[in-house]
Amino acid sequence: NAGVTQTPKFQVLKTGQSMTLQCAQDMNHNSMYWYRQDPGMGLRLIYYSASEGTTDKGEVPNGYNVSRLNKREFSLRLESAAPSQTSVYFCASSAELVGEGYTFGSGTRLTVV
Amino acid sequence: AQKVTQAQTEISVVEKEDVTLDCVYETRDTTYYLFWYKQPPSGELVFLIRRNSFDEQNEISGRYSWNFQKSTSSFNFTITASQVVDSAVYFCALSDSNYQLIWGAGTKLIIKP
Repeated sequence: NAGVTQTPKFQVLKTGQSMTLQCAQDMNHNSMYWYRQDPGMGLRLIYYSASEGTTDKGEVPNGYNVSRLNKREFSLRLESAAPSQTSVYFCASSAELVGEGYTFGSGTRLTVV
Repeated sequence: AQKVTQAQTEISVVEKEDVTLDCVYETRDTTYYLFWYKQPPSGELVFLIRRNSFDEQNEISGRYSWNFQKSTSSFNFTITASQVVDSAVYFCALSDSNYQLIWGAGTKLIIKP
């Protein structure tokens, strides 16, 4: 099925460990996004990529890095995980940056202990 | 600053009742887009509707309807004859010239059989 694929679905890290969340879309979308969702809150934008080769900070970028590897793939890296980064992470894509409905991946539940 | 407020944290109704979820937004832009997403207990995010700021026509899709009123900066969502499968968290979101999707905190809707 066409859509956004995120891996892994679940991950437990120890404080200070690093990891990369992978995201790939097969809809030929230009724009991709990484969000985090904390209990009782809406999604908050971490980073986004308007098009291949560009990335920009969102609302909560500290502690994260991203790479737009190609048009299909957009990865999120935690260099030194902290308990405050325990959250559900969603990758999304859209055809254009403004005004388009987003297609979301199924999410990654990350716990940092 | 952009902001989306969903004042109703949780709503509980009995099946077949009608229910309205409120969404109030703030933006200085004249061009913007409003969205509703559904997040069922399984956790995925499902796109429901997108509305641009120049189109104030109400939208109806089956049992779902949306009332967009620029005068009150509101974009409310009504489910008619609710069903247990409608139980989910519903998010309202705003996208304007900042290219970011700003989310409300969500309304948890519980439909009792």
